[in-house]
Amino acid sequence: RKEVEQDPGPFNVPEGATVAFNCTYSNSASQSFFWYRQDCRKEPKLLMSVYSSGNEDGRFTAQLNRASQYISLLIRDSKLSDSATYLCVVGPPGSSNTGKLIFGQGTTLQVKP
Amino acid sequence: DADVTQTPRNRITKTGKRIMLECSQTKGHDRMYWYRQDPGLGLRLIYYSFDVKDINKGEISDGYSVSRQAQAKFSLSLESAIPNQTALYFCATSDWGSTDTQYFGPGTRLTVL
Repeated sequence: RKEVEQDPGPFNVPEGATVAFNCTYSNSASQSFFWYRQDCRKEPKLLMSVYSSGNEDGRFTAQLNRASQYISLLIRDSKLSDSATYLCVVGPPGSSNTGKLIFGQGTTLQVKP
Repeated sequence: DADVTQTPRNRITKTGKRIMLECSQTKGHDRMYWYRQDPGLGLRLIYYSFDVKDINKGEISDGYSVSRQAQAKFSLSLESAIPNQTALYFCATSDWGSTDTQYFGPGTRLTVL
């Protein structure tokens, strides 16, 4: 089983749609969670951290379900510019703070006019 | 100017050649990382360094070596390149005590013929 699993997609949605991605992780002791965005042939960039209480940044909402070991990302009112690959990322277990992140393979989103 | 730079950006080489990929950062971060990205596999950690005197193997270090010449510089070497090392290579940095957020360079696309 992969440590971080995502549906690779692609998810094809029209502009204005709401789309949600899920990601599961295998290590129940993991403490930090993130969504990164990667445009085609470019470097990954942090989109948002995921907190236990859930967090929202504009049209983006991230949630964490520790009991089921999954993370979600919801994008409302999709824009053409949201087209990218979204990487689910999990930090090290416990309080080790080793800086070693585990990356999912990514979910590709294509927003169509 | 970019905070994390990588050279070269693209490289085509032949099997058996020695290749060095270089990474420089102006963020003042102590931690630096080398990843490779392959289609369908996500980012995988090759080596990481928490300071100039600290080098650690990652998930897939075989066939690679690194050198941390200074806080700001971290280079990756392929001593004898082979075709399955064809990939997109990213350098990243993070700050000690941060929430594990990593900042990536633009990547080096390496092709080994």
